[in-house]
Amino acid sequence: DTGVSQDPRHKITKRGQNVTFRCDPISEHNRLYWYRQTLGQGPEFLTYFQNEAQLEKSRLLSDRFSAERPKGSFSTLEIQRTEQGDSAMYLCASSFESPDTQYFGPGTRLTVL
Amino acid sequence: SQQGEEDPQALSIQEGENATMNCSYKTSINNLQWYRQNSGRGLVHLILIRSNEREKHSGRLRVTLDTSKKSSSLLITASRAADTASYFCATGHSGNTPLVFGKGTRLSVIA
Repeated sequence: DTGVSQDPRHKITKRGQNVTFRCDPISEHNRLYWYRQTLGQGPEFLTYFQNEAQLEKSRLLSDRFSAERPKGSFSTLEIQRTEQGDSAMYLCASSFESPDTQYFGPGTRLTVL
Repeated sequence: SQQGEEDPQALSIQEGENATMNCSYKTSINNLQWYRQNSGRGLVHLILIRSNEREKHSGRLRVTLDTSKKSSSLLITASRAADTASYFCATGHSGNTPLVFGKGTRLSVIA
């Protein structure tokens, strides 16, 4: 399968712990996006990369959130000192150059106890 | 903040009927896209319509765009139980701005 993959699919953690999620985009796609989705809402944009450059990060929810794409391939999203309000589905998407059509991964569902 | 707003929030129809969902947005766009999401899964791209297009078809899907009213509609003809999902519109803008998604319409197709 050459689609977007995310790992893990589910993560349960205790409040205050750090978590890291991984996204592997479609191999020829140079743009990678992170979104957060809460129940009953549409995806909310967090940040995106073109190759290894992070072009937009002002929408990250707080300074506890950070993302990297060190070699322009896979990306990681880290949440430090998790809070219960961080519980959500975290979606990754990729696209080729133009941001027009994005291909989404299955998401990582985070539950913070 | 979410720009697109889908209407209705939920829709329940019988198999074989047509389903129409609407999307309204606030600012000028480069394109508008529709995505489907099955429960607890990622989003699947359905169709993209550019700001200079008025109508587009893909299989059983028909999308219209009225930029003067800042609205779009998605029509699914001859619906099937497998069409049960949430449907989101997303607006694309010029430059490096990200897609902006609405809250979605939850469609239930009853066999």
